[in-house]
Order: sequence, then structure tokens, then C-alpha cells
Amino acid sequence: GAVVSQHPSRVICKSGTSVKIECRSLDFQATTMFWYRQFPKQSLMLMATSNEGSKATYEQGVEKDKFLINHASLTLSTLTVTSAHPEDSSFYICSARALGVLNDEAFFGQGTRLTVV
Amino acid sequence: EDKVVQSPLSLVVHEGDTVTLNCSYEVTNFRSLLWYKQEKKAPTFLFMLTSSGIEKKSGRLSSILDKKELSSILNITATQTGDSAIYLCAVEPITSGTYKYIFGTGTRLKVLA
Repeated sequence: GAVVSQHPSRVICKSGTSVKIECRSLDFQATTMFWYRQFPKQSLMLMATSNEGSKATYEQGVEKDKFLINHASLTLSTLTVTSAHPEDSSFYICSARALGVLNDEAFFGQGTRLTVV
Repeated sequence: EDKVVQSPLSLVVHEGDTVTLNCSYEVTNFRSLLWYKQEKKAPTFLFMLTSSGIEKKSGRLSSILDKKELSSILNITATQTGDSAIYLCAVEPITSGTYKYIFGTGTRLKVLA
């Protein structure tokens, strides 16, 4: 399957600081990327959908000013958690799709475990 | 509101057992239903189902979609400890302009040696 690389895999930051997470599709061009959040023992909750070159579409209840998403190219999307607080501690996963190719399924990054102290 | 529900939430079996995981959805129109396996980190793709009644098979795993019942099952035969994972079902609604998945609650499977 196609490869999606997410970085960093783990980050600890202080309350009030910002953290940037990168998601790259390594061997295909991702027309659409998705960002999910996963709490312990729970399923993936979609935060936002981003298409290259346009503004992200956020799911209800997700603060767009807090979770900044940039999809500058067909192979890179970033999620920035601004002014992080302990309640933002979670597992964040990105996925990428190349619509019309590769059977259309989404490929996932390895996830980023964010701990805000 | 579109919704995907999986059952059971968790399951403990012994090696060699056969398990059936269920996924039901409340989505008016959908493009596909997918199954993923999540071990420690990223979910890995198992199956994509678009047509009702056609079984997809990969080794000891198989899955089938029933559009009339708005559900899908994932079967694992002769389970092994390596099958221990969370199994996620996702549905892709046909929604203009978006290609997002709605994930179910997941089924946590533990296979004991």
C-alpha cells in the first residue's frame, strides 16, 4: 500500500505553546487529507478535512483557531495545535487519499502522541 | 446524523476460535464501507466494500456487506494472537465536496494463546 509519514511520533510540550504535526504522502499525491483525534480506547474522531490549496473543512465542535490546518501541497498537510492545554493531550492521526487512484482507500500515518504538561 | 455502530465493543477468544465482528450504519447514501485493523498506531486497511452480497476474502479474514440490513460483518477464522487489535469499520457517505469517513466505535479483539 501507499505510505503516509507523520512526524513527530511523540511530542511533549508545555502548556501555552504551539505544536506542529506534519503529514506527508510519500509515494502518491494526496488530493485530500484528514486529521483525526483518538482518545484512549475510543475510535477515531474526524477533526477536519483538507484539500490542497483550499481552506480546511472542520467538523462541528472543532475550534478552527485552535487547530490550524495547512495543506500547501499535494504531499504535505500540517496540523498546528495552538496554545496547547493539557486537555489537548491525545493521539492525532492523519490520513491521505488519492481520489481516483489506488482504489480510493485512505492510508494512515503512524500517529502523533501529544502530551501537554 | 450519520452514524456507525460496531458490536461487540470488546471480545476475548482463544487461539483457533472463529470470530464475527459486526458493523451497522445509519447513513442515507454511501459510497463504500471499509474495515481497518489498528494495533498500536496507524490503522491498516483490510477491505473496501461497495456491493451488497459479494464477499471479500484475504487469508483468514473475510467480509461482506448487506445493504438491505445496513450492515457488514468481518469474519476471522482460526484466530491467532497476532489478530489481537482494534477493528474499525468506516463508512464513506456520498456528501457533495467531501470524501470523509465516519468511523465506528471499534471492536477490541484479544486472542489468548
